[in-house]
Amino acid sequence: GAGVSQSPRYKVAKRGQDVALRCDPISGHVSLFWYQQALGQGPEFLTYFQNEAQLDKSGLPSDRFFAERPEGSVSTLKIQRTQQEDSAVYLCASSLSWGQVTGADTQYFGPGTRLTVL
Amino acid sequence: AQSVTQPDIHITVSEGASLELRCNYSYGATPYLFWYVQSPGQGLQLLLKYFSGDTLVQGIKGFEAEFKRSQSSFNLRKPSVHWSDAAEYFCAVGTMFSGGYNKLIFGAGTRLAVHP
Repeated sequence: GAGVSQSPRYKVAKRGQDVALRCDPISGHVSLFWYQQALGQGPEFLTYFQNEAQLDKSGLPSDRFFAERPEGSVSTLKIQRTQQEDSAVYLCASSLSWGQVTGADTQYFGPGTRLTVL
Repeated sequence: AQSVTQPDIHITVSEGASLELRCNYSYGATPYLFWYVQSPGQGLQLLLKYFSGDTLVQGIKGFEAEFKRSQSSFNLRKPSVHWSDAAEYFCAVGTMFSGGYNKLIFGAGTRLAVHP
């Protein structure tokens, strides 16, 4: 079975450009997460979707960051007017969990999109 | 606030030697604890997880971890390291929210190098 896929794998943007990063979760997974991993750091939570509902966007660093999952499957993370500090690897993860099930549901990660802002 | 500390940034071991990677967490309730491994250009792969029961957890690739509540630790161990274990290892704590989801808080990672 296919895992989580992300595209593009690498993206170079000039400062001020808009970018869109795509995530295809594992089929049937209800939960979808976005994380940002700066160089030499661990991933940091950005936002969470349960089906098409964005339940938590507390980690989005600014209003230039926007995420959507309109049909409850594919998700897009959009960054407007990119800045150099946005350079990082953006990781998407999905898990099967729904409702009040155990918080130990495994999150399966994609390979990430490495964004470089010049 | 919840946090995870991995005190060792880099560790180098010889192939066949034993390994222990340290992880300390700060979390008010019973934690959900995870170890992930990340190879270059790859996503994070789950090695093992703890959420209740036996405090010694077995994972994939011969790894195990022990949860010690008194020390707020969840150290990862392997009795004999293989060259293919060279990678970056992340400890994470899961914070359960009322919406039924689990936000992971990661440590900064430990990079493992293996000498032949």
